[in-house]
Amino acid sequence: GENVEQHPSTLSVQEGDSAVIKCTYSDSASNYFPWYKQELGKRPQLIIDIRSNVGEKKDQRIAVTLNKTAKHFSLHITETQPEDSAVYFCAAYGGATNKLIFGTGTLLAVQP
Amino acid sequence: GAVVSQHPSRVICKSGTSVKIECRSLDFQATTMFWYRQFPKQSLMLMATSNEGSKATYEQGVEKDKFLINHASLTLSTLTVTSAHPEDSSFYICSARQGASGNTIYFGEGSWLTVV
Repeated sequence: GENVEQHPSTLSVQEGDSAVIKCTYSDSASNYFPWYKQELGKRPQLIIDIRSNVGEKKDQRIAVTLNKTAKHFSLHITETQPEDSAVYFCAAYGGATNKLIFGTGTLLAVQP
Repeated sequence: GAVVSQHPSRVICKSGTSVKIECRSLDFQATTMFWYRQFPKQSLMLMATSNEGSKATYEQGVEKDKFLINHASLTLSTLTVTSAHPEDSSFYICSARQGASGNTIYFGEGSWLTVV
């Protein structure tokens, strides 16, 4: 089945700097890659997603890139703000089983 | 966006009893729903995939007789934790896929289960 790895597990940046989180997946048939932000005790919030027919997608300060050949995708947050502090999860969906499998999560701390 | 409602948000039960958690898609039909469990400071682990009108598909290591899943309609799936034990205490969260072939997935609010 699908396996999603995520790095780093923790990331601390200064306000205004950029943050990059990387994920790799194992199932080449996966075709949908969402990123979620989760605050403690709450549901994951979809912040951006990308489908396998696109290499890059941007939404204001957030961007996601996908390299299908290498089977990895990344989240880029520019001009980070303290309110960006949260746990971020990548996920991969599709393939033979049509399941949404999550990465291990990244705790992002933006220092004022 | 589409709305998925989960109930209850918090529940405390005694060890040995059963607890039912409901997941509803409020404004779309969900042929497939997913149930996850999340322990503190960990990721969301897929427990099972629930398909309307058929048996759920459980992930390896998840006891199907302990975690009963029923997906009786296109808008409702339920998870029943039977004979609950303190180690079952966790955050349970459902998600629903919109449409038979769509990839957009929406999450419920989650349910905190505490077994005492």
